[in-house]
This record gives sequence, structure tokens and C-alpha cells, in this order.
Amino acid sequence: DIQMTQSPSSLSASVGDRVTITCRASQGISNSLAWYQQKPGKAPKLLLYAASRLESGVPSRFSGSGSGTDYTLTISSLQPEDFATYYCQQYYSTILTFGGGTKVEIK
Amino acid sequence: EVQLVESGGGLVQPGGSLRLSCAASGFTFSSYSMNWVRQAPGKGLEWVSYISSSSSTIYYADSVKGRFTISRDNAKNSLYLQMNSLRAEDTAVYYCARGLNRAVVRAFDIWGQGTMVTVSS
Repeated sequence: DIQMTQSPSSLSASVGDRVTITCRASQGISNSLAWYQQKPGKAPKLLLYAASRLESGVPSRFSGSGSGTDYTLTISSLQPEDFATYYCQQYYSTILTFGGGTKVEIK
Repeated sequence: EVQLVESGGGLVQPGGSLRLSCAASGFTFSSYSMNWVRQAPGKGLEWVSYISSSSSTIYYADSVKGRFTISRDNAKNSLYLQMNSLRAEDTAVYYCARGLNRAVVRAFDIWGQGTMVTVSS
């Protein structure tokens, strides 16, 4: 199975900060990557797919990039509603796998 | 409104069985692939199983293969997960999730609210 490693596992940031989360795959996944946001007690929400395509309705401050094995999620200017846990997920292989999550907390 | 509503969770003893259901509404259920994804308490997300729109293709995570069975009834707009030989490590919130309606993109754009399964004696 393809292992997905996210870093950092948590971070503290202030409103207005630029935040970057990294996801590394154990093998190349050809941009077959999605990002989700999850708030406590709620279901995850799809933010991006195909590494950089923004899901409909998601604010443009969210962006994704990367290739091969390394991918990033960037929040250009952190807003109060963005404090949550973020997960990457690869769909390159039949067996789908998620990263361990990155918790974004208020500084 | 596009919606997925899970049901059927609860407390079950190790070795027991449980059947989860997911009722879909607000979209053409028969046109979408569906998945089950779980999340153990305080842990991350784990994909469990996938079923194509016509049920012709099914996949399972290694952790549940041979114990869980995914199925769907397009006439009833419903998705199911039959869980047998349950173990303590199956304890989790189970989400049904709709597959994105784009070729080869197996991401999930609509999620239910989840149903809790607790395996304990």
C-alpha cells in the first residue's frame, strides 16, 4: 500500500498567516491527491483534488501544488474558520490511503 | 439538498455482526460510486471499501477484507456495509462518502454525518 506522510502533525498560526502543509507519498502518485478539512465532530470536507483543482465552493485562499511524491496544501491568509485538521488522500492505487492529519491551531 | 444519512451503528461484542446503511437523497444515486470511510476515536481517517455505480467493481482495505461486505440498492438509493467477525479495532465512526463524479478521481465530495460502531464486551 502507498503510505502518506503529512507534516507537520500540528501547527500554531495566527489569523492572516500563510500556512503550508506537506504530504509525501511512499511512491509517485501522479497528482492523484485530494485534500480534506475536518472540524471536530464533523465529517471531512473536500477542498482540492488532482493535487491542485479547487472543489466548487471552496475559497480561493486554499491552493495545492506538487508532483511525483511531494505535495503541499497552502492557505494564503488563515481565517478563523480555517482552524481544523487537514488530511491528504491518494487515489493513485486501488487501495486508498490518507495521511495522518495536520491540526491547525490558533496561536 | 444532497444528503447522505448513515444508520445501524451501535455496541456489539467481539466476533459479532452489524449492518450499516446509508440513505442517499438529492442526487441520482445510481450514477455515483460510493465508499465507506472510518475514523477511530481521536485518530485519522481510514478508507474501508468502494463500490462502483453498478456494483460491478468492489474494493476493500486489507484490514476488513473477508469480514466486511459492501453492497448497494440503486432502486432504494441505499448503500450498505455488512460487518462480520468484528474486532475491538473496528471501533470507529463509519462514514459513507460519495465518489466524485469525474473519471479516475476517487476522492469523496459528499459525506454523511457518520454512525458510531463500538466493539466491546
